[in-house]
Amino acid sequence: NAGVTQTPKFQVLKTGQSMTLQCAQDMNHEYMSWYRQDPGMGLRLIHYSVGAGITDQGEVPNGYNVSRSTTEDFPLRLLSAAPSQTSVYFCASSWQEMNTEAFFGQGTRLTVV
Amino acid sequence: AQKITQTQPGMFVQEKEAVTLDCTYDTSDPSYGLFWYKQPSSGEMIFLIYQGSYDQQNATEGRYSLNFQKARKSANLVISASQLGDSAMYFCAMREGSIYNQGGKLIFGQGTELSVKP
Repeated sequence: NAGVTQTPKFQVLKTGQSMTLQCAQDMNHEYMSWYRQDPGMGLRLIHYSVGAGITDQGEVPNGYNVSRSTTEDFPLRLLSAAPSQTSVYFCASSWQEMNTEAFFGQGTRLTVV
Repeated sequence: AQKITQTQPGMFVQEKEAVTLDCTYDTSDPSYGLFWYKQPSSGEMIFLIYQGSYDQQNATEGRYSLNFQKARKSANLVISASQLGDSAMYFCAMREGSIYNQGGKLIFGQGTELSVKP
């Protein structure tokens, strides 16, 4: 029973490099989302999706791209990494109903040098 | 636009005492859900409790209860009989309704770090 799987757990990037954070869920959830967590800022929503082929921006979308070609996968792409993108990234998924909680991956700690 | 505010960056509580963590929210949608999550030092996010905007009674889950005051737009978490294992970061979150009254995006507050003293 895997739940939400994020890879990698840790990553160091150089400024200007690109990379993709992977997120997969096996619960057939419609809703998936990406957050970044920074000290004192809580979890801020980057992008979210309510189903395959449907994505939308959250609070802090700049510098990130997403796509949702399948129900299971929701990758987050950093186009040109910047030190300001150093953070812990969480992927989450849930059913679409209002009263259902989100399930989170273990997080990815990203450092951009 | 929806907004969640947690004004207590850090709190201390004595073991076995009760503690209240504050959360206020702002939304123009009459249909919304409120959640509390716990994040221990290990980093995982643990769902604690849920309150719907139309729920008539305050939600309870074991030692957790949610003091929901709709007119004041507050959804405070009450932890009774604190334990050392309750030391963690706590996040309040809100989900507004979307089409067909299904859940829209989920947003979080800044969090409150709770420390339980022996």
